[in-house]
Amino acid sequence: AQTVTQSQPEMSVQEAETVTLSCTYDTSENNYYLFWYKQPPSRQMILVIRQEAYKQQNATENRFSVNFQKAAKSFSLKISDSQLGDTAMYFCAFMNHAGANNLFFGTGTRLTVIP
Amino acid sequence: EPEVTQTPSHQVTQMGQEVILRCVPISNHLYFYWYRQILGQKVEFLVSFYNNEISEKSEIFDDQFSVERPDGSNFTLKIRSTKLEDSAMYFCASSGAGGSYNEQFFGPGTRLTVL
Repeated sequence: AQTVTQSQPEMSVQEAETVTLSCTYDTSENNYYLFWYKQPPSRQMILVIRQEAYKQQNATENRFSVNFQKAAKSFSLKISDSQLGDTAMYFCAFMNHAGANNLFFGTGTRLTVIP
Repeated sequence: EPEVTQTPSHQVTQMGQEVILRCVPISNHLYFYWYRQILGQKVEFLVSFYNNEISEKSEIFDDQFSVERPDGSNFTLKIRSTKLEDSAMYFCASSGAGGSYNEQFFGPGTRLTVL
């Protein structure tokens, strides 16, 4: 079974600074997808960034980038130039490439951006 | 921008009662999901639904749970006889035309409290 671990329940960062959220996972699959979802207070989860396991290049979306280390089964999220609107819960998630498309989530990291 | 909606936002019920949680997925989506998150724990997959039938379900999704797409727009989760441990946030999600990957769009969730 796939498991996703987020070892940082809470983090904080000063506005405009950079923060990195950690995620590790366990799978016996070779092809899969990894995601970071953001959940602002009282709002739905939205996709921040995704990574296909077969791609060596790390995904980047504006201020958000990942450090994907397949051998280490590590998938960290870096947020650059943090903004107050980045305050949210961040969930790391895993999806198999083949078969069912259900997501396996970590327990989340609560990020607070401090003005 | 189209979004997934869920009603009610908060449901309080007595143990042993039946509840129906409602979701309206994005209109041209074909795959539908329910996830739940017990307070302080990870988001867990419950069930996926495609072509008017369940495509996959987790161990959590036992005989007390059922899903239905009664009218081509709503997607419902029914819990027949609620237990205290069913208290959680329930998230609905939908995704597009299938294939190897389609982004899942999440609703805002329904907080279910069983007394």
